[in-house]
Amino acid sequence: AQKITQTQPGMFVQEKEAVTLDCTYDTSDPSYGLFWYKQPSSGEMIFLIYQGSYDQQNATEGRYSLNFQKARKSANLVISASQLGDSAMYFCAMREGGTGGFKTIFGAGTRLFVKA
Amino acid sequence: EPEVTQTPSHQVTQMGQEVILRCVPISNHLYFYWYRQILGQKVEFLVSFYNNEISEKSEIFDDQFSVERPDGSNFTLKIRSTKLEDSAMYFCASSGRGRDWTEQFFGPGTRLTVL
Repeated sequence: AQKITQTQPGMFVQEKEAVTLDCTYDTSDPSYGLFWYKQPSSGEMIFLIYQGSYDQQNATEGRYSLNFQKARKSANLVISASQLGDSAMYFCAMREGGTGGFKTIFGAGTRLFVKA
Repeated sequence: EPEVTQTPSHQVTQMGQEVILRCVPISNHLYFYWYRQILGQKVEFLVSFYNNEISEKSEIFDDQFSVERPDGSNFTLKIRSTKLEDSAMYFCASSGRGRDWTEQFFGPGTRLTVL
């Protein structure tokens, strides 16, 4: 069963505007972590942000913030003040289990295009 | 800044041949992973490794795959008899302990092409 869903295969945003990339997940484990990764055209995987299932506040890292709505099982990534260099593939991922070292499941990804 | 390294960056092999993909995780990390990404598709978990044994593996990780940490620094993925559908980018990743386990640091990947 698919556990991470990214419903936007592609998104366009104007430079300097904010954009939200959607992610919903499904798990019965009370302890889990949610991640966002960026994959530019060069192919490397770049960690952006993490949200733990027990974290009370939404995670933020610079221009990235994670809109965590636990009851809705959503973990949307918000990128503020988009830059041309933000054009890339973005993957939402989830890891179940509280002690680390477990399987991480990725969504299908959203390709973001930032327009000048 | 410490980083995960992978060699080779690109491996071309004939179907049926064995390949070994090599990774050097970040030195004080405890958890190691292999993922693959078929061109244009999502990243798929293969296996996680902790305390010198496999902690979890996916259904993709069948008997033709094996992992090893032979010398305390390298972490290898072996594919015994490659198939055309094994062509993909293979990523190694590692993570630390405690709160540090949350972030998996990915290597740059090895692109495997099976002819």
